[in-house]
Amino acid sequence: EPEVTQTPSHQVTQMGQEVILRCVPISNHLYFYWYRQILGQKVEFLVSFYNNEISEKSEIFDDQFSVERPDGSNFTLKIRSTKLEDSAMYFCASSPEAEKLFFGSGTQLSVL
Amino acid sequence: GDSVTQMEGPVTLSEEAFLTINCTYTATGYPSLFWYVQYPGEGLQLLLKATKADDKGSNKGFEATYRKETTSFHLEKGSVQVSDSAVYFCALSRNQAGTALIFGKGTTLSVSS
Repeated sequence: EPEVTQTPSHQVTQMGQEVILRCVPISNHLYFYWYRQILGQKVEFLVSFYNNEISEKSEIFDDQFSVERPDGSNFTLKIRSTKLEDSAMYFCASSPEAEKLFFGSGTQLSVL
Repeated sequence: GDSVTQMEGPVTLSEEAFLTINCTYTATGYPSLFWYVQYPGEGLQLLLKATKADDKGSNKGFEATYRKETTSFHLEKGSVQVSDSAVYFCALSRNQAGTALIFGKGTTLSVSS
Protein backbone atom coordinates (compact mmCIF):
# COMPACT_ATOMS: atom_id res chain seq x y z
CA GLU A 1 0.00 0.00 0.00
CA PRO A 2 1.37 3.44 -0.90
CA GLU A 3 2.49 5.56 2.01
CA VAL A 4 3.88 8.97 2.82
CA THR A 5 7.57 8.78 3.67
CA GLN A 6 9.37 11.27 5.88
CA THR A 7 13.09 11.64 6.42
CA PRO A 8 14.90 11.82 8.72
CA SER A 9 12.94 10.25 11.58
CA HIS A 10 14.98 12.29 14.06
CA GLN A 11 16.83 15.55 13.52
CA VAL A 12 18.94 17.35 16.09
CA THR A 13 20.13 20.87 15.35
CA GLN A 14 21.62 23.88 17.07
CA MET A 15 19.54 27.00 17.62
CA GLY A 16 19.91 29.38 14.69
CA GLN A 17 20.70 26.66 12.17
CA GLU A 18 18.65 25.92 9.09
CA VAL A 19 16.89 22.58 8.79
CA ILE A 20 15.10 20.91 5.91
CA LEU A 21 12.55 18.24 6.61
CA ARG A 22 11.77 15.98 3.70
CA CYS A 23 8.64 14.18 2.63
CA VAL A 24 7.71 11.99 -0.29
CA PRO A 25 3.92 12.14 -0.70
CA ILE A 26 1.87 9.43 -2.35
CA SER A 27 2.45 9.77 -6.06
CA ASN A 28 -1.00 10.61 -7.43
CA HIS A 29 -1.97 12.96 -4.62
CA LEU A 30 -2.57 16.63 -5.32
CA TYR A 31 -2.67 18.28 -1.88
CA PHE A 32 0.21 18.42 0.56
CA TYR A 33 0.37 19.50 4.17
CA TRP A 34 2.69 20.05 7.09
CA TYR A 35 1.54 19.73 10.69
CA ARG A 36 3.49 19.74 13.93
CA GLN A 37 2.95 18.54 17.46
CA ILE A 38 4.86 20.00 20.36
CA LEU A 39 5.13 17.46 23.16
CA GLY A 40 1.91 17.32 25.15
CA GLN A 41 0.08 19.75 22.89
CA LYS A 42 -2.31 19.61 19.96
CA VAL A 43 -1.41 18.62 16.43
CA GLU A 44 -1.19 22.04 14.76
CA PHE A 45 -1.67 22.88 11.11
CA LEU A 46 1.22 24.73 9.48
CA VAL A 47 0.58 24.91 5.75
CA SER A 48 -1.18 23.34 2.80
CA PHE A 49 0.13 23.28 -0.76
CA TYR A 50 -1.65 22.72 -4.05
CA ASN A 51 -0.73 23.30 -7.67
CA ASN A 52 2.76 24.49 -6.71
CA GLU A 53 1.63 27.16 -4.32
CA ILE A 54 0.55 27.61 -0.74
CA SER A 55 -3.23 27.32 -0.45
CA GLU A 56 -3.49 28.01 3.28
CA LYS A 57 -1.13 28.72 6.16
CA SER A 58 -1.48 29.22 9.87
CA GLU A 59 -0.13 31.98 12.08
CA ILE A 60 2.68 29.66 13.07
CA PHE A 61 3.95 29.57 9.49
CA ASP A 62 5.89 32.83 9.56
CA ASP A 63 8.80 34.05 7.44
CA GLN A 64 11.12 31.51 9.06
CA PHE A 65 9.24 28.71 7.33
CA SER A 66 9.04 27.82 3.66
CA VAL A 67 7.84 24.87 1.63
CA GLU A 68 8.90 23.60 -1.72
CA ARG A 69 8.18 20.81 -4.14
CA PRO A 70 11.51 20.88 -5.91
CA ASP A 71 11.30 17.90 -8.23
CA GLY A 72 7.71 16.71 -8.51
CA SER A 73 8.12 14.00 -5.89
CA ASN A 74 9.62 15.53 -2.75
CA PHE A 75 7.84 18.06 -0.54
CA THR A 76 10.11 19.90 1.87
CA LEU A 77 9.69 22.13 4.89
CA LYS A 78 12.56 24.53 5.59
CA ILE A 79 13.08 26.37 8.84
CA ARG A 80 15.65 29.11 8.22
CA SER A 81 16.84 29.87 11.72
CA THR A 82 15.59 27.37 14.25
CA LYS A 83 14.46 28.38 17.72
CA LEU A 84 14.12 26.24 20.83
CA GLU A 85 10.34 26.39 20.52
CA ASP A 86 10.50 24.79 17.06
CA SER A 87 11.26 21.48 18.77
CA ALA A 88 8.34 19.24 17.85
CA MET A 89 7.22 16.26 15.82
CA TYR A 90 6.59 17.40 12.27
CA PHE A 91 4.10 15.45 10.18
CA CYS A 92 3.74 15.58 6.43
CA ALA A 93 0.45 14.55 4.81
CA SER A 94 -0.93 14.25 1.32
CA SER A 95 -4.42 13.77 -0.07
CA PRO A 96 -6.06 13.03 -3.41
CA GLU A 97 -9.12 15.04 -2.45
CA ALA A 98 -10.57 17.09 0.36
CA GLU A 99 -10.31 15.62 3.85
CA LYS A 100 -8.81 12.21 3.02
CA LEU A 101 -5.35 12.82 4.43
CA PHE A 102 -2.58 10.25 4.57
CA PHE A 103 0.13 11.03 7.10
CA GLY A 104 3.78 10.14 7.34
CA SER A 105 5.26 8.81 10.57
CA GLY A 106 6.84 12.15 11.37
CA THR A 107 10.23 13.76 11.96
CA GLN A 108 11.16 14.51 15.55
CA LEU A 109 13.04 17.82 15.50
CA SER A 110 15.11 18.72 18.56
CA VAL A 111 16.61 22.21 18.71
CA LEU A 112 19.39 22.58 21.28
CA GLY B 1 -11.94 30.08 15.80
CA ASP B 2 -12.60 26.42 15.22
CA SER B 3 -11.33 24.05 17.90
CA VAL B 4 -11.52 20.49 19.18
CA THR B 5 -11.37 19.38 22.81
CA GLN B 6 -10.67 15.79 23.81
CA MET B 7 -10.69 14.13 27.17
CA GLU B 8 -7.33 13.98 28.85
CA GLY B 9 -5.50 10.68 28.87
CA PRO B 10 -4.02 8.29 29.35
CA VAL B 11 -6.92 5.88 29.34
CA THR B 12 -5.99 2.47 30.75
CA LEU B 13 -8.33 -0.47 30.21
CA SER B 14 -8.35 -4.23 30.43
CA GLU B 15 -8.99 -6.29 27.33
CA GLU B 16 -12.71 -6.56 26.45
CA ALA B 17 -13.62 -3.42 28.40
CA PHE B 18 -15.89 -0.74 26.95
CA LEU B 19 -14.17 2.36 25.61
CA THR B 20 -15.40 5.93 25.39
CA ILE B 21 -13.17 8.84 24.41
CA ASN B 22 -15.00 12.15 24.56
CA CYS B 23 -14.62 14.82 21.90
CA THR B 24 -16.40 18.15 21.58
CA TYR B 25 -15.92 20.81 18.98
CA THR B 26 -16.47 24.48 18.28
CA ALA B 27 -16.97 25.50 14.67
CA THR B 28 -18.88 27.82 12.41
CA GLY B 29 -20.90 26.22 9.68
CA TYR B 30 -21.11 22.48 9.22
CA PRO B 31 -17.74 20.81 9.58
CA SER B 32 -16.89 17.20 8.90
CA LEU B 33 -15.64 15.27 11.93
CA PHE B 34 -12.93 12.62 12.12
CA TRP B 35 -11.12 10.24 14.38
CA TYR B 36 -7.50 9.50 13.53
CA VAL B 37 -5.37 6.85 15.23
CA GLN B 38 -1.59 6.72 15.62
CA TYR B 39 -0.03 3.37 16.43
CA PRO B 40 3.49 3.40 17.92
CA GLY B 41 6.10 4.40 15.34
CA GLU B 42 3.55 5.12 12.63
CA GLY B 43 1.77 8.13 11.12
CA LEU B 44 -1.79 9.18 11.81
CA GLN B 45 -4.38 7.03 10.04
CA LEU B 46 -7.99 7.88 9.41
CA LEU B 47 -10.15 5.66 11.63
CA LEU B 48 -13.62 6.97 10.82
CA LYS B 49 -15.48 10.08 9.74
CA ALA B 50 -18.92 11.68 9.65
CA THR B 51 -19.89 14.52 7.39
CA LYS B 52 -23.25 15.69 8.69
CA ALA B 53 -25.41 15.73 11.80
CA ASP B 54 -26.59 12.31 13.05
CA ASP B 55 -24.18 10.45 10.76
CA LYS B 56 -22.44 7.53 12.41
CA GLY B 57 -18.91 6.70 11.35
CA SER B 58 -17.66 3.19 12.05
CA ASN B 59 -14.56 1.10 11.42
CA LYS B 60 -12.79 -1.84 13.12
CA GLY B 61 -15.48 -1.98 15.81
CA PHE B 62 -15.15 1.71 16.65
CA GLU B 63 -18.12 4.06 16.28
CA ALA B 64 -18.80 7.76 16.65
CA THR B 65 -21.99 9.74 16.04
CA TYR B 66 -22.03 13.37 14.90
CA ARG B 67 -24.19 15.17 17.47
CA LYS B 68 -24.86 18.74 16.42
CA GLU B 69 -27.02 19.55 19.43
CA THR B 70 -24.21 18.72 21.86
CA THR B 71 -21.36 19.52 19.40
CA SER B 72 -19.85 16.15 20.18
CA PHE B 73 -18.28 13.21 18.37
CA HIS B 74 -17.44 10.67 21.08
CA LEU B 75 -15.50 7.55 20.09
CA GLU B 76 -16.76 4.21 21.42
CA LYS B 77 -15.85 0.56 21.17
CA GLY B 78 -17.69 -2.24 22.89
CA SER B 79 -14.73 -4.53 23.56
CA VAL B 80 -11.16 -3.27 23.25
CA GLN B 81 -8.16 -5.39 22.38
CA VAL B 82 -4.49 -5.01 23.24
CA SER B 83 -3.88 -4.12 19.61
CA ASP B 84 -6.08 -1.02 20.03
CA SER B 85 -3.39 0.58 22.18
CA ALA B 86 -2.57 3.82 20.38
CA VAL B 87 -3.11 7.58 20.43
CA TYR B 88 -6.53 8.71 19.20
CA PHE B 89 -7.07 12.17 17.70
CA CYS B 90 -10.41 13.87 17.12
CA ALA B 91 -10.42 16.41 14.27
CA LEU B 92 -12.70 18.64 12.22
CA SER B 93 -12.55 19.98 8.70
CA ARG B 94 -14.18 22.87 6.95
CA ASN B 95 -14.93 20.73 3.93
CA GLN B 96 -12.66 22.41 1.44
CA ALA B 97 -9.82 20.71 -0.36
CA GLY B 98 -6.45 21.92 0.81
CA THR B 99 -7.70 23.45 4.04
CA ALA B 100 -6.56 22.51 7.48
CA LEU B 101 -7.75 19.73 9.70
CA ILE B 102 -8.11 21.03 13.24
CA PHE B 103 -6.95 18.41 15.75
CA GLY B 104 -7.44 17.82 19.41
CA LYS B 105 -4.52 17.00 21.70
CA GLY B 106 -4.88 13.27 21.33
CA THR B 107 -5.80 10.65 23.92
CA THR B 108 -3.48 7.76 24.68
CA LEU B 109 -5.21 4.41 25.13
CA SER B 110 -3.38 1.54 26.78
CA VAL B 111 -5.06 -1.87 26.85
CA SER B 112 -3.67 -4.70 28.95
CA SER B 113 -4.43 -8.41 28.74
